[in-house]
Amino acid sequence: NAGVTQTPKFQVLKTGQSMTLQCAQDMNHEYMSWYRQDPGMGLRLIHYSVGAGITDQGEVPNGYNVSRSTTEDFPLRLLSAAPSQTSVYFCASSYNRVTYEQYFGPGTRLTVT
Amino acid sequence: AQSVTQLGSHVSVSEGALVLLRCNYSSSVPPYLFWYVQYPNQGLQLLLKYTSAATLVKGINGFEAEFKKSETSFHLTKPSAHMSDAAEYFCAVSPAFQGGSEKLVFGKGTKLTVNP
Repeated sequence: NAGVTQTPKFQVLKTGQSMTLQCAQDMNHEYMSWYRQDPGMGLRLIHYSVGAGITDQGEVPNGYNVSRSTTEDFPLRLLSAAPSQTSVYFCASSYNRVTYEQYFGPGTRLTVT
Repeated sequence: AQSVTQLGSHVSVSEGALVLLRCNYSSSVPPYLFWYVQYPNQGLQLLLKYTSAATLVKGINGFEAEFKKSETSFHLTKPSAHMSDAAEYFCAVSPAFQGGSEKLVFGKGTKLTVNP
């Protein structure tokens, strides 16, 4: 298994541009999440999904959009990038609530100028 | 609502010394608790988790943590630090029985330095 994969690893955007961060998992996990990591802030939840077609907002959803059309994929869209969205983004997945263990991808480092 | 406080953003120990990383949580319902480790430029890896079974939890790489309800704490320890333990450590909580791993709440992290 490849586990949780994220692309791209690095990205530089200009203010106002849009882009999609890709996340895929091959473990047949129902639950998937997006976090952002900023220095001294830990990880904060952006959006999450409990299954295909079901998504919900986390702690910091503004400026981001998600969809979950398949179990495997959970892309994160930046609608109009802002410098405040400069961060490292992590995607994570877990099998079910009983297991309660999230597996993390390697992250995408995004810089918005 | 849940929250996590990690005391000390930076901890420095000598190789072979005890590692103690502190985590206190706030939760209105019984929590599930986790410690994750992040090595430089990598994602997070689970060290151990507490899910209401034994209060003393053993994890990978010689780490363990004890759930103390009376102190609302879940401190991480390792008897003897190794150079390879240098990393950032995150404590996280999720509300048991009300949704779980898809919406963890993380502490701000503690960066561990191990000196030779």
